[in-house]
Amino acid sequence: LAKTTQPISMDSYEGQEVNITCSHNNIATNDYITWYQQFPSQGPRFIIQGYKTKVTNEVASLFIPADRKSSTLSLPRVSLSDTAVYYCLVGPSGNTPLVFGKGTRLSVIA
Amino acid sequence: EAQVTQNPRYLITVTGKKLTVTCSQNMNHEYMSWYRQDPGLGLRQIYYSMNVEVTDKGDVPEGYKVSRKEKRNFPLILESPSPNQTSLYFCASSSLDRVGQPQHFGDGTRLSIL
Repeated sequence: LAKTTQPISMDSYEGQEVNITCSHNNIATNDYITWYQQFPSQGPRFIIQGYKTKVTNEVASLFIPADRKSSTLSLPRVSLSDTAVYYCLVGPSGNTPLVFGKGTRLSVIA
Repeated sequence: EAQVTQNPRYLITVTGKKLTVTCSQNMNHEYMSWYRQDPGLGLRQIYYSMNVEVTDKGDVPEGYKVSRKEKRNFPLILESPSPNQTSLYFCASSSLDRVGQPQHFGDGTRLSIL
């Protein structure tokens, strides 16, 4: 399973766009890139998933360059409720062990 | 509502007293998994199951057992709990209808072993 590297923490003010980048140099051909959000004492929650180029849903965008060795989660106009830990995972997921890294702790400040 | 339900949510018990944490999902998912989360160590997978009667070890299986007799249920069993198993536990499930399906997590079970 591809190992990922993310910043340990980030701070942002309310209303700003936040970009969290994840490096995954050893990504395999059939690997997807999936981002989860976790609030304290709650289970991780799926945010977005992509394979290549750009994916957008109602809460975030995911940018994946052509070489797929990194990805960037973009959260538009964050609010205080976006304060959480964000995990980047790479792999086939459902049928293999899912390896979570330490994630990125995002703190949104008023 | 699609969900993964864990019980109990909180449990304080003593060393050596067998306990079971139940996990049930209502999404007809083939894949189910257990994780533990500890400060500074992130989420680590304990066991996973790809279907009924099919289970396999994750990264930290020592001291745990699981069973998958029914598709919807995946209990985690601690036969002889020890203090180092004090942790926050999460159950998750996903479909295997295509590669890369994301996992749905329960709300967690906080275990304290004294």
